Parts: sequence; structure tokens; C-alpha cells
Amino acid sequence: SQQGEEDPQALSIQEGENATMNCSYKTSINNLQWYRQNSGRGLVHLILIRSNEREKHSGRLRVTLDTSKKSSSLLITASRAADTASYFCATAGGGGSEKLVFGKGTKLTVNP
Amino acid sequence: GAGVSQTPSNKVTEKGKYVELRCDPISGHTALYWYRQSLGQGPEFLIYFQGTGAADDSGLPNDRFFAVRPEGSVSTLKIQRTERGDSAVYLCASSLTGTSTGELFFGEGSRLTVL
Repeated sequence: SQQGEEDPQALSIQEGENATMNCSYKTSINNLQWYRQNSGRGLVHLILIRSNEREKHSGRLRVTLDTSKKSSSLLITASRAADTASYFCATAGGGGSEKLVFGKGTKLTVNP
Repeated sequence: GAGVSQTPSNKVTEKGKYVELRCDPISGHTALYWYRQSLGQGPEFLIYFQGTGAADDSGLPNDRFFAVRPEGSVSTLKIQRTERGDSAVYLCASSLTGTSTGELFFGEGSRLTVL
């Protein structure tokens, strides 16, 4: 079963706009990770945020984590056509478990 | 190689046949994972290896699925008596430190189609 639930399921924006994707999860976590997947390709890690962190930045990416609401958001600023992909959040439960549990993903389309 | 390598990239087989999917992780990564991804879904965990041993196989759907990693490097996912519902992309990933502190590096996947 999948723990993370992203919304929206699909998002279409114009180049230069910001894109925000949200993720909710159900159980306690050690960390939360965001991955990107181009159509028909493997997943690429974007950013990891630990359970004791609230916000993290990497280039044009900003991730927030609210453990009280069991939710996270991924913001991509000044989007480009090359950002078109599916984005997945994944939770690591810790406690000796190595299982990374993925959500269903948000399909982002950035129109030039 | 520089990344995780999976072969074959595509496999078409008939219902009831046996299939092997191979994963060559990043050199030095002791942690290796298999995931399965159906169309429109996120990856679902199958099994995790630390070195040669399967530390967590709780995601394997039934006893038709089996995976090995005999020398702690290359891993093979084996599916017996394939069924149409096994059709999916099988993803392999490796990690230097594990998911509690680090990221997974994924291969491009093996797309399995069972006719």
C-alpha cells in the first residue's frame, strides 16, 4: 500500500510560473524525500528533508515539512519546460526499516 | 558503470513463463532495493538487500517472486509462472547509506509485459 498522497494529481502551468505540489502521509517518519521521473525513465532524487526540519532549499526547489499535519510541499520556482515530469514524495519510517514508501505522484506539465 | 544498470530494458513473455530481471548497482553501494511500478502509480516496495542478505522482503506479493544477491553486488529478481497482473516496470535502486540518511539511486527499469 502507498502512504503518501500527492495533490494535485496533475498540474499544467506556463513557463516562468511557480508550481506547488503537496504530499500528505499517515504515519510517523524519519525523513521525507521528493523524486522526479521523466516519462518512461527512472526516478531521480531531488531533495531530502528530515523530520526535525521545517524547510529546505535546493536551487529552484523549496520543500516544507509540517509533521503535526503530516504534510509536505514542493515548490518549483520560475518553472521551465524541462521541469515537465512526474513528481513523487516518499517517506522513510526509520526505526530500522529501509522501506521508502511512495505516493502516486503529481504529473507536472510546463508549457513553453 | 556510473549508475544503476538494469537488464533487459523490455521483456515480453507469455503467461506461465519464468522471467529473470537483473540489476547491477552502483559500485560500493551495499543497500539494494527492488520496486514495482504500475501505470499511473508510484513505485511499490518489493524487497531490500543489505549486502548478500534480504533484510526485508515484506513487499514481495507472493511466493512466485524471489530475489537473490549472492555476492553482494548484482541482484536478480525471479518471477515464476508469470501472470498478466505481473505486467509493470520493475525498478532497482541502490544506496550507500540507506533511506534513513540518504537517497536512492534508481535504474531505468525493466518493463515486463505478460501476454
